[in-house]
Amino acid sequence: AQSVTQLDSQVPVFEEAPVELRCNYSSSVSVYLFWYVQYPNQGLQLLLKYLSGSTLVESINGFEAEFNKSQTSFHLRKPSVHISDTAEYFCAVLNNAGNMLTFGGGTRLMVKP
Amino acid sequence: DSGVTQTPKHLITATGQRVTLRCSPRSGDLSVYWYQQSLDQGLQFLIQYYNGEERAKGNILERFSAQQFPDLHSELNLSSLELGDSALYFCASSPGPSRVNEQFFGPGTRLTVL
Repeated sequence: AQSVTQLDSQVPVFEEAPVELRCNYSSSVSVYLFWYVQYPNQGLQLLLKYLSGSTLVESINGFEAEFNKSQTSFHLRKPSVHISDTAEYFCAVLNNAGNMLTFGGGTRLMVKP
Repeated sequence: DSGVTQTPKHLITATGQRVTLRCSPRSGDLSVYWYQQSLDQGLQFLIQYYNGEERAKGNILERFSAQQFPDLHSELNLSSLELGDSALYFCASSPGPSRVNEQFFGPGTRLTVL
């Protein structure tokens, strides 16, 4: 069985500060990992994904995540956040059959001016 | 806009009632997935259909059922509703069940059971 743990339910941070949202996973098979973002009153949008290859993956809006197999982690980072990054962020792992995403509990990022 | 549409956007009903949530996948996508987002359980996978056939089941209650029609839209039926069924229900779609296929999520249907 797969599981995902997001250690922080809320992360308050000031604008232009760096941020790290932590994600740890448990899986007995090779992993495909995802970060989704949910803005207020909206659906989930894919932020970035790790399927294979380079362990560092980047999104178009400045976020990056690093797959660390030894620590079973996939932490999300951004060197300088904006007010518009305020949202809930979900880490997820895809099962071997490719049809079921298991999500973490989510981390609410609150960017303050 | 992901291309996945869900109706209705909001639904308010009473305990014991039955409701139907509808999802239209992105053009060309054959797989449809249903997820429930609640305060208690977080985001949970419910069920997947591929080209009209059920492919995978998650934590879906027996009171809930789903189907995918020949035009590939899907409906999630929730019956004998309880207060605890209040949640945001998401539909997602992808071209197929391959692990390399991204799931695109719709905006969700917010169900409130009073």
